[in-house]
Amino acid sequence: TQLLEQSPQFLSIQEGENLTVYCNSSSVFSSLQWYRQEPGEGPVLLVTVVTGGEVKKLKRLTFQFGDARKDSSLHITAAQPGDTGLYLCAGDEGGATNKLIFGTGTLLAVQP
Amino acid sequence: NAGVMQNPRHLVRRRGQEARLRCSPMKGHSHVYWYRQLPEEGLKFMVYLQKENIIDESGMPKERFSAEFPKEGPSILRIQQVVRGDSAAYFCASSPPWRVTEAFFGQGTRLTVV
Repeated sequence: TQLLEQSPQFLSIQEGENLTVYCNSSSVFSSLQWYRQEPGEGPVLLVTVVTGGEVKKLKRLTFQFGDARKDSSLHITAAQPGDTGLYLCAGDEGGATNKLIFGTGTLLAVQP
Repeated sequence: NAGVMQNPRHLVRRRGQEARLRCSPMKGHSHVYWYRQLPEEGLKFMVYLQKENIIDESGMPKERFSAEFPKEGPSILRIQQVVRGDSAAYFCASSPPWRVTEAFFGQGTRLTVV
């Protein structure tokens, strides 16, 4: 089973600061998704990256897929309290199964 | 355009009872997945179903757990003779056939076994 390690595990920052969350694996994924989960809710899909080296931007969020498709990063510019939540990366193993392998999660708290 | 609907949101069962968790996928989605999130742990894949077929159940415990996605109606995750260790949040996700790698999650069912 492939594993996805996220770092940092916890992050508490002030409003307006920038941050980067990392998602690393020793294995290759067909695609990788980033989700945000709030307490008591299900994960909400933010983005899917498919091509090695791909960069996608979603307002203040920038997602990058590593060239070798083993790692990914999420960069948030000028964080806001509304960005608070649990950020999860999830890799698709490929093949017929379509199951996602979820990362260990990064809990972000943005203080006003 | 309703999202993935799960019910109930909260379920309390006594040890030994049965738990039935329901999931209605998004309109047009024919692929359903169940994941479990244990306290202090990440989301773990349980089972992947298409209409009337179990495609991958490699994450399902060998005993007491079963899942179905009938031709008509919601997908059901069934846990027989629940034990305290089954207490967790159970999430259903669905994806369309043209983009199976993108999963949209429901709000989850929080099962508490007392």
